[in-house]
Amino acid sequence: TQLLEQSPQFLSIQEGENLTVYCNSSSVFSSLQWYRQEPGEGPVLLVTVVTGGEVKKLKRLTFQFGDARKDSSLHITAAQPGDTGLYLCAGVREYGNKLVFGAGTILRVKS
Amino acid sequence: KAGVTQTPRYLIKTRGQQVTLSCSPISGHRSVSWYQQTPGQGLQFLFEYFSETQRNKGNFPGRFSGRQFSNSRSEMNVSTLELGDSALYLCASSLRQGGNTEAFFGQGTRLTVV
Repeated sequence: TQLLEQSPQFLSIQEGENLTVYCNSSSVFSSLQWYRQEPGEGPVLLVTVVTGGEVKKLKRLTFQFGDARKDSSLHITAAQPGDTGLYLCAGVREYGNKLVFGAGTILRVKS
Repeated sequence: KAGVTQTPRYLIKTRGQQVTLSCSPISGHRSVSWYQQTPGQGLQFLFEYFSETQRNKGNFPGRFSGRQFSNSRSEMNVSTLELGDSALYLCASSLRQGGNTEAFFGQGTRLTVV
């Protein structure tokens, strides 16, 4: 089992729809990061959240870190075809020092 | 500034051979981490090097090894290749050691073992 469980695994939606991707764990994390990866490329960091309850916005993307620092969500408003990609959450466990990744969510936005 | 450079981009090897992959981090970054990405297992941490020393290691067999040079460039080596080693190998560079720091990834090396 993955330390970080992401859901859903796949998401195919129409342009303009909203969506939420979840990243859950039973462990406490000192920080959580979200990456987007496009085919043939390495992951690109979108955001890092470090404080329980923290909310960060990046244009149409809203990231939230759970109060207990065990989970996080990524919400996209009015999805665009350019949002298509693999979304990965990754975190460092409390008292740990290695970045562990979730399995990822493949998002496809159709025009 | 230049990003993380991984070479080669693609490799095809046969079972039993060995392979060396190279990673040049962003200038000024002293930490280099390596990951294996496969469709079934996702991104799995291999190891991290900082100031020429391995600081962290994932759960991979001893066939997987690495090193870092004084200019922070890093190489990873896989010996006695197996079919299951086929994957995208990603390198990430960071300013500081550990995971709580922004990681910048290269485009990866796609290794196919036949």
